[in-house]
Amino acid sequence: KAGVTQTPRYLIKTRGQQVTLSCSPISGHRSVSWYQQTPGQGLQFLFEYFSETQRNKGNFPGRFSGRQFSNSRSEMNVSTLELGDSALYLCASSVDRGTYNEQFFGPGTRLTVL
Amino acid sequence: AQRVTQPEKLLSVFKGAPVELKCNYSYSGSPELFWYVQYSRQRLQLLLRHISRESIKGFTADLNKGETSFHLKKPFAQEEDSAMYYCALGGSPADKIIFGKGTRLHILP
Repeated sequence: KAGVTQTPRYLIKTRGQQVTLSCSPISGHRSVSWYQQTPGQGLQFLFEYFSETQRNKGNFPGRFSGRQFSNSRSEMNVSTLELGDSALYLCASSVDRGTYNEQFFGPGTRLTVL
Repeated sequence: AQRVTQPEKLLSVFKGAPVELKCNYSYSGSPELFWYVQYSRQRLQLLLRHISRESIKGFTADLNKGETSFHLKKPFAQEEDSAMYYCALGGSPADKIIFGKGTRLHILP
């Protein structure tokens, strides 16, 4: 099976702009989670989608949003970018949440905000 | 509230010495605990989970509910163990999986 893919791999934006990141989960996986990874904070949970519904949300401002399509592909959007949004954004998919379900991570999208 | 604490940012261990990466958690329900590893230039990947009670690459981790800990251990470190290790906590399907801030393990030759 192909792994989780994320596009684009690298992005450079300026403050105030908005950005959309895309994630294609492993075929058959219905749950997609997004994380922000920074050296100081590690992985911070953004949100999780399952069957096109947001099932969980982390403690991020409303500028961060996401959605999931019927084919389980997911996008996340960040509006009004700030310098502190510079990070690696990771997407992970799993068959479902639950005790036995491993999360499979994508390579990430490296976002740099200037 | 769910919380995962990895007290060490960096752990340096000589090759052949025992390794213990600490993880403590806070969770009101029945926890699911995982260790994920990220080798240099590779994706984050699952190392092991408490429910499986297995040893992967010589690593083991035991869930201690009394001490709310899930420490990762290996009796003899190898150079290829150098990586970033994250402890992760889940619970019911209604809860999110959260990660600790990670511990960088550096194996000294």
